Amino acid sequence: EPEVTQTPSHQVTQMGQEVILRCVPISNHLYFYWYRQILGQKVEFLVSFYNNEISEKSEIFDDQFSVERPDGSNFTLKIRSTKLEDSAMYFCASRLGMAAFFGQGTRLTVV
Amino acid sequence: AQSVTQLGSHVSVSEGALVLLRCNYSSSVPPYLFWYVQYPNQGLQLLLKYTTGATLVKGINGFEAEFKKSETSFHLTKPSAHMSDAAEYFCAVSDRTGNQFYFGTGTSLTVIP
Repeated sequence: EPEVTQTPSHQVTQMGQEVILRCVPISNHLYFYWYRQILGQKVEFLVSFYNNEISEKSEIFDDQFSVERPDGSNFTLKIRSTKLEDSAMYFCASRLGMAAFFGQGTRLTVV
Repeated sequence: AQSVTQLGSHVSVSEGALVLLRCNYSSSVPPYLFWYVQYPNQGLQLLLKYTTGATLVKGINGFEAEFKKSETSFHLTKPSAHMSDAAEYFCAVSDRTGNQFYFGTGTSLTVIP
């Protein structure tokens, strides 16, 4: 069964460093998303992406964040200068119809 | 704008008992509604969805949910709980653009043997 895959599963980074979280959406899907879940809190929307541009973004998605679809298969989230409060589980999702399918997540720990 | 409220952050049921997880939504337009399950240290897995048509929808693992427009609810049920159902359950809503999915705060289900 097709699935969204995310790498790495865990990432530890020092505060102020740049990180890139990688996602391979389901191959025929057209809409892509990043969400995050701080430990013990709700799943929060970051950004949606369609037709090679951002469709919508939340207040969390400030200038420190960017997304890219560098080729036909990958979808990346970059955090330019990580903060302690960026520590969270980051989920990538994709959809073709109305249901979004999520990856297993990348646990980002900023120290 | 859409929002989701899940009543009860923790629910405990005995094995074999009925599971009822509550979800109410607010939406200015007819929404699409979803339930996702998250097992420990895993991602979000789609359980079921309502988009149009029959208001009672069946999902995986014996779960079902009923869209009740008059009550703005989309409660998740399962007739008989199994130990493997222990997980975090999230209700989500999106508008018809699908640009954003709004999640509830989640309900942690414990199944007691």
